[in-house]
Amino acid sequence: QQQVKQSPQSLIVQKGGISIINCAYENTAFDYFPWYQQFPGKGPALLIAIRPDVSEKKEGRFTISFNKSAKQFSLHIMDSQPGDSATYFCAASPLDTGRRALTFGSGTRLQVQP
Amino acid sequence: DAGVIQSPRHEVTEMGQEVTLRCKPISGHDYLFWYRQTMMRGLELLIYFNNNVPIDDSGMPEDRFSAKMPNASFSTLKIQPSEPRDSAVYFCASSDRAGYTFGSGTRLTVV
Repeated sequence: QQQVKQSPQSLIVQKGGISIINCAYENTAFDYFPWYQQFPGKGPALLIAIRPDVSEKKEGRFTISFNKSAKQFSLHIMDSQPGDSATYFCAASPLDTGRRALTFGSGTRLQVQP
Repeated sequence: DAGVIQSPRHEVTEMGQEVTLRCKPISGHDYLFWYRQTMMRGLELLIYFNNNVPIDDSGMPEDRFSAKMPNASFSTLKIQPSEPRDSAVYFCASSDRAGYTFGSGTRLTVV
């Protein structure tokens, strides 16, 4: 599997602050980049996703920024809340397998302190 | 829809025993995936199926692991014989064009 590198491993943010998680990939064939949120004891759940034809996608407090030339993408959580405390995974897959066979980053454990 | 259903939620077994994990995907999803999650290795793709046919099993760690999808509504992941290093959370996911939906996972402990 092609690698997706994610950082930081853990992140502590104060309530109301901005959480930023970064990912980098190597395979230029990747063209679907989702972010997943996982709470303890649960499976990962799709949070937001982007394709490389746009540089940014926003859904509520969550924004993905995408830099195709640098092969990097990031998740920004605005006005972070204690309920956002979870593990976040970036992922990527190539177009020719479409939505299939996602390669996941190693995860970031986010703690939002009240 | 009840989502992706996995069973059992927890399994504790002795080394050398056979373990079978089960998954019911979301109706209408044409892809099914098995992932393993550990602290050390994160989320690893083991195998995936398209329309019940195995497409890529290169992530299956050893011959001790096997997976089947006899029909569109059921899949199994079998480990025989099980070893302590197989202890992990095993996730099943199914997908359509909207993306993956994961089950709640099976936490396997091999003692």
